[in-house]
Amino acid sequence: QVQLVESGGGVVQPGRSLRLSCAASGFMFSSHAMHWVRQVPGKGLEWVAISWFDGNNEYYADSVKGRFTISRDNSKNTLYLQMNSLRVEDTALYYCVRDAGYSTGRFDSWGQGTLVTVSS
Amino acid sequence: DIQMTQSPSSLSASVGDRVTITCRASQTIRTHLCWVQQKPGKAPNLLIYDASTLHGGVPSRFSASASGREFTLTISSLQPEDFATYYCQQSYSSPWTFGQGTKVEIK
Repeated sequence: QVQLVESGGGVVQPGRSLRLSCAASGFMFSSHAMHWVRQVPGKGLEWVAISWFDGNNEYYADSVKGRFTISRDNSKNTLYLQMNSLRVEDTALYYCVRDAGYSTGRFDSWGQGTLVTVSS
Repeated sequence: DIQMTQSPSSLSASVGDRVTITCRASQTIRTHLCWVQQKPGKAPNLLIYDASTLHGGVPSRFSASASGREFTLTISSLQPEDFATYYCQQSYSSPWTFGQGTKVEIK
C-alpha cells in the first residue's frame, strides 16, 4: 500500500534552514506529482508546493516563494523540501502528499507529517 | 487565488443524524472539488473528488453534490468514527486552496 514517511523536522531559529525528506513506497513514484501541505497545529490546511512527476516543474504558494525549494529524486523515491530563511510563521506540521496523477490537484495519499518549529 | 468558504465552522450532532456541510468557491471551479476528512491527531484523508465521486473505501453514507459554485457534503447517518474535521479543497488551479474546515462534534 502507499506509504509516505516524512523526516527532517525539528526546532530551528528564525532565519535558519531546514531540509525535509519524504520516503515514498508502495506505488510508482515517478508517475505522480507530489506536494507539500502544511498545517499550523489546531488550524487549517495550506498547500505549499508541488513537484511534477518528472521534477521538471514546480510551483509554490506565495507565502514560501523564493525561500522554499521542492525537489525529488525518482531513483530514490524521495521528495524533499529545502526551507531557507525560516520565519516564525512557518511553524507547522508539514505533510508529504501524493497527487492522484501528473498534476490533478487531488491529494489522494498523505504522510503522517513532520513538525517544524521556528523559534528563537 | 480561489477562496473556499465553508459553513458551518462547527456543528454538534448525534449518532444517526443526517449532517450537511456547505462549501462555496469564490469563482468557478467546475466540479474540481474534493472533500477531506481529518480525525484528531491524524493526517487528512481524501473522501470525495470531482465534487461527487467517493474515493476508494469510503462508506456509502457519504455523498456530495455541486450546484454552480456551491458544494455540499452529506453524511446520511452519522457514525462514531465520523466525528472529525472536514475540509473542502479546490483542485481546479494552483494554488490549491482549502476551506477553513468544519468540525463535527458529538452532541
